[in-house]
Amino acid sequence: GQQVMQIPQYQHVQEGEDFTTYCNSSTTLSNIQWYKQRPGGHPVFLIQLVKSGEVKKQKRLTFQFGEAKKNSSLHITATQTTDVGTYFCAGYSGNTPLVFGKGTRLSVIA
Amino acid sequence: DGGITQSPKYLFRKEGQNVTLSCEQNLNHDAMYWYRQDPGQGLRLIYYSQIVNDFQKGDIAEGYSVSREKKESFPLTVTSAQKNPTAFYLCASSLGTGAGETQYFGPGTRLLVL
Repeated sequence: GQQVMQIPQYQHVQEGEDFTTYCNSSTTLSNIQWYKQRPGGHPVFLIQLVKSGEVKKQKRLTFQFGEAKKNSSLHITATQTTDVGTYFCAGYSGNTPLVFGKGTRLSVIA
Repeated sequence: DGGITQSPKYLFRKEGQNVTLSCEQNLNHDAMYWYRQDPGQGLRLIYYSQIVNDFQKGDIAEGYSVSREKKESFPLTVTSAQKNPTAFYLCASSLGTGAGETQYFGPGTRLLVL
């Protein structure tokens, strides 16, 4: 079945450094979504990408969808302590519900 | 105030007992989901339902059962057949299961089986 791989599993950064997490699907995706889960909380929707090569920005967060629609990335510029949490990508390919990656857990050292 | 509620927040049970986790939504969503989250394992789909009186197995359905008698409610029963039930359980809902449907998550229930 469809698989969504996400790397790295963990990332520790100093406050002010940049952070990137990568997502790769075994199949071509119709769209990809990104969610953030704060420590002790539940996943919250951040954004959806639909078009090949699409780039979207939310303040310091930049989301990209690959040209082949099989990979995606989330880049955070100048991390802050409020960015701490686990970031999940989730892909939809048409046959099943969203398939979530295992997430990247971000720690920010002040 | 619209949203998804899960109760209780923490649940303790003895090994061998069945336990039912509650999930209610007032978003008028057709689709509902149950996920299990273990450290380092991400979100694993247990069951999902696209419409009332219908549900489908996810990736790890063994040892779990669900019902969908009402649109607003999707309870999950963790049976004694589930070999390692201690985990964080998340319920979610979406308008449908098609492309572009955002999932909205409840606060979760932490189940500890002793």
